[in-house]
Amino acid sequence: GQNIDQPTEMTATEGAIVQINCTYQTSGFNGLFWYQQHAGEAPTFLSYNVLDGLEEKGRFSSFLSRSKGYSYLLLKELQMKDSASYLCAVMDSNYQLIWGAGTKLIIKP
Amino acid sequence: DVKVTQSSRYLVKRTGEKVFLECVQDMDHENMFWYRQDPGLGLRLIYFSYDVKMKEKGDIPEGYSVSREKKERFSLILESASTNQTSMYLCASSLGGADYNEQFFGPGTRLTVL
Repeated sequence: GQNIDQPTEMTATEGAIVQINCTYQTSGFNGLFWYQQHAGEAPTFLSYNVLDGLEEKGRFSSFLSRSKGYSYLLLKELQMKDSASYLCAVMDSNYQLIWGAGTKLIIKP
Repeated sequence: DVKVTQSSRYLVKRTGEKVFLECVQDMDHENMFWYRQDPGLGLRLIYFSYDVKMKEKGDIPEGYSVSREKKERFSLILESASTNQTSMYLCASSLGGADYNEQFFGPGTRLTVL
């Protein structure tokens, strides 16, 4: 079957760095997405990786290793507004998105 | 900016009622999707559509149907609502083609079935 695993919850301190991991087993691979979802709101797109390596976008970076079925989202200089759930999703061979359950990130002052 | 709107933010219905959830996007997107989101589970795809009058079953279509009569509008129908359909329903849209396309989400409808 298809499976996306990410930690349920993480806690970090304002100003610090946090890494949210995602491992996947899917039938085929056409890219991996990270979305941010604040409580009660819609998910919003953060990043897309289809090739191995690190993609940097401001305070957020996303890494992919296709051979290991692994990705991480790195958030630097954490701000209180970064408190949200972070969703990992993989596009399979049918171009359908398979979603992880999300990681709830709690930022403490 | 892409805008995806959903007809209601909160909805309360009774078991057995017919429920319509409407979704409209304003960016001429080809693809539209309906998901449900439940605590501890990832988004689960109910139905999707790649074109007008076209629909495809997702992972959990049982108890649901959809309608896409116009390109900008994708409706989700619960023919006879049941308590296990209490959930957050999210509509999304994306550009056409099989290549990478991010999905844009609506604000969601939190449906409670009593």
